Parts: sequence; structure tokens; C-alpha cells
Amino acid sequence: NAGVTQTPKFQVLKTGQSMTLQCAQDMNHNSMYWYRQDPGMGLRLIYYSASEGTTDKGEVPNGYNVSRLNKREFSLRLESAAPSQTSVYFCASSQLAGRSYEQYFGPGTRLTVT
Amino acid sequence: TQLLEQSPQFLSIQEGENLTVYCNSSSVFSSLQWYRQEPGEGPVLLVTVVTGGEVKKLKRLTFQFGDARKDSSLHITAAQPGDTGLYLCAGGHNNNDMRFGAGTRLTVKP
Repeated sequence: NAGVTQTPKFQVLKTGQSMTLQCAQDMNHNSMYWYRQDPGMGLRLIYYSASEGTTDKGEVPNGYNVSRLNKREFSLRLESAAPSQTSVYFCASSQLAGRSYEQYFGPGTRLTVT
Repeated sequence: TQLLEQSPQFLSIQEGENLTVYCNSSSVFSSLQWYRQEPGEGPVLLVTVVTGGEVKKLKRLTFQFGDARKDSSLHITAAQPGDTGLYLCAGGHNNNDMRFGAGTRLTVKP
């Protein structure tokens, strides 16, 4: 049981390049998320998917697209990377536990855009 | 401005000391969560509180949700080097609106 896995762990891009960050979970969770973490800003939600086949924008969606490929996989795509997208990206999945949702995070992808 | 303000931003203490960190907001939340994040890893959920005034204990960690469900505190008794990490609070109402604070970075020196 690996939990939430993310690839790659590190990536350096030049401005304008594109890439896809991969995420998979093996906990049979319906909801999945993409966050970015910047110093002094906490985690900010980029996109989420409440169930297979659905995606919705979060707090900071501009410059990103997502695909919920199946129940296990949720990918994040940067079509034309910008230096402002330099960040650490976390994927998470969640399950309802009592009256709240418990989120499980992957180890993160450290992205630098030059 | 952050929806959730965490204080202090940094805290460095000696092993064996007690400490309290805070998570404050002007918004009311249905639930509030605390996570710990170690360098190079993702956050790990420590606790969820849902009732105003609720107190939960996890070994040497005590979590309290404010009566008005706008704020929370985390108290650590007899801190150990293994407690070192970034402590994040997150508040929300359902599965797609959790908002995170910027965190308190705790260092416990042996």
C-alpha cells in the first residue's frame, strides 16, 4: 500500500516549456487534489476532482490544466511554464471520516522554472 | 492576507520545554485540521477537530478548537527533537474548500 505517489520528484524547466506531473493513489479515494506550496504562503489549492470524470478549479488555477484519468490517477499539466510557477507541488487524496475529510499527501514535486 | 494566520512563524526551543502554537481566523469553520510536515515530504494529518471547545490529545500533543470555531491551538509538552517540523493548520467546510495557514516552523534542539 503505497498511499499517494508522485512523479517526478524534481524538475527544471525553461520558460515556455510544458510538462505533466503525475499522481496516483491506491486507497480507493474518490477525491483528489493538486496544491502548490510557496514560502510564507501555505498550501494553495490549484484544482480538485471530487470523483472520476469531474474536475473543478481551486484557488489558483491559472496556467494549469488537470485530467482525472481514472479513480487512481490525477495529473497536472503546465502548458507553458513561467518562473512564477516555480514551487513545490503536492497531490493529495481524501476520504470522509466522521464529519470531515482527511487528506493524504504525496511526497511532492519540486519544480524550478528558469 | 492569509485566511488562517499561524503564530509564531518560527520557534526554536530546547528539548524538554513546553510550547504552544496558534491558528487564528476571522472565519468560522466546520472543521479544523493540524498537519505536520517534515523536510522533503508531504504534510501528514495529526488531528481533526469539529466541535467548538473540543480538546483532543495525541500523546504529548494537545489540540483545542476555539468555542466560536474560528481558532485553534496546539500545545506540546516536553518537546523532543522528533517533534521538529512545519506545523500547518487547515480549516474548511467540505472536501473542496480547505484553506491552509502558512505554518509554524518548530525546531527542537537536543
